[in-house]
Amino acid sequence: DIQMTQSPASLSASVGDRVTISCRASQGISNNLAWFQQKPGKAPKSLIYAASSLQSGVPSKFSGSGSGTDFTLTISSLQPEDFATYYCQQYNSYPFTFGPGTKVDIK
Amino acid sequence: QVQLQQWGAGLLKPSETLSLTCAVYGGSFSGYYCTWIRQPPGKGLEWIGEINHSGNSNYNPSLKRRVTISIDTSKNQFSLKLRSVTAADTAVYYCARGVDPAPDYWGQGTLVTVSS
Repeated sequence: DIQMTQSPASLSASVGDRVTISCRASQGISNNLAWFQQKPGKAPKSLIYAASSLQSGVPSKFSGSGSGTDFTLTISSLQPEDFATYYCQQYNSYPFTFGPGTKVDIK
Repeated sequence: QVQLQQWGAGLLKPSETLSLTCAVYGGSFSGYYCTWIRQPPGKGLEWIGEINHSGNSNYNPSLKRRVTISIDTSKNQFSLKLRSVTAADTAVYYCARGVDPAPDYWGQGTLVTVSS
């Protein structure tokens, strides 16, 4: 199985901050990577697919980049509704696997 | 607007079969992947498996012996069966659909608790 790691595991940030979350795959996955946002008690929300393509309706403050093994999710200006846990997922090889998550909370 | 609505039993005894169904409203299956994902309480996400509109499925090897995902294109529904459940299968189960194998829309989640 492809192992996905995320860093940091958690971060504290202020409203208006630029936030970057990293995701690394244990082997190359081309650009077959997605990002999800999950708030407590809620289903995940899909943000990005194919490493950098925004899902329909997702605001442009979210962006993704990377290819191969290293990927990044950036939130350009953190807003109160963005405090959540973020997961990456590779869908290059079965079984598809998720990163452990990065929790973004309020400083 | 695509919506996924899921349902099924929320409390099971060990050795029983978990059975969940997901209906897709406002969209179709053609060309899409229908996926089941679970999340144990307080933990991360685990991919269970997927099926496409043609009925071709792929499963997580860790669950493959016990899981079946099926599809009913006439009803725009797909289902999950997980046999011989144990306490380790206690989790919130999500259905999801995507053009890519990565989901774009998710169901609301169903908490399934396995307890004697």
